[in-house]
Amino acid sequence: NAGVTQTPKFQVLKTGQSMTLQCAQDMNHEYMSWYRQDPGMGLRLIHYSVGAGITDQGEVPNGYNVSRSTTEDFPLRLLSAAPSQTSVYFCASRPIAGPSYEQYFGPGTRLTVT
Amino acid sequence: GIQVEQSPPDLILQEGANSTLRCNFSDSVNNLQWFHQNPWGQLINLFYIPSGTKQNGRLSATTVATERYSLLYISSSQTTDSGVYFCAVEPSTGGFKTIFGAGTRLFVKA
Repeated sequence: NAGVTQTPKFQVLKTGQSMTLQCAQDMNHEYMSWYRQDPGMGLRLIHYSVGAGITDQGEVPNGYNVSRSTTEDFPLRLLSAAPSQTSVYFCASRPIAGPSYEQYFGPGTRLTVT
Repeated sequence: GIQVEQSPPDLILQEGANSTLRCNFSDSVNNLQWFHQNPWGQLINLFYIPSGTKQNGRLSATTVATERYSLLYISSSQTTDSGVYFCAVEPSTGGFKTIFGAGTRLFVKA
């Protein structure tokens, strides 16, 4: 049971390049989400999904796209990278039926945009 | 939207000391979790505690949902407790949108 996995661990992009951050979970959780963490701050929600085919925006969705074709995977796409997207990105998952809604996080992807 | 405030922002302890971290939130919540982010950036689940009291070893947490706050107690602190402690809540209204506090940065001196 690997939990939540993210790839890559580190990535450097040039301004204007696109890329996809991968996230997978093996806990059969319906809910998955992406966050970004900037230095000295808490995490901010980018996008989330409550099941395959269902996605919605969080606090800071601009510049990012998501899709959810399977329960296990929830990739995050940067369409045209900007220096303001330099951050650490975390993926998380949790069940949406009780008794617990505890959220589990992946190890993070550190992204630098030059 | 909901506001989540954590205090204190920074805390320095001598090894062996006890501490209390606080999380205030401005609206009713369905879910509340405490996390420890270690110096390597990993987020470690401490407690899922939308209400009530839980204990796990030297750590315990209490959430009083009706008064909109949660407390995290660390007893007999160790250097490995250093890092940032985050409170994260999911409002009762507004869907599945988790909001994090800014965190309490803890340094435990040997």
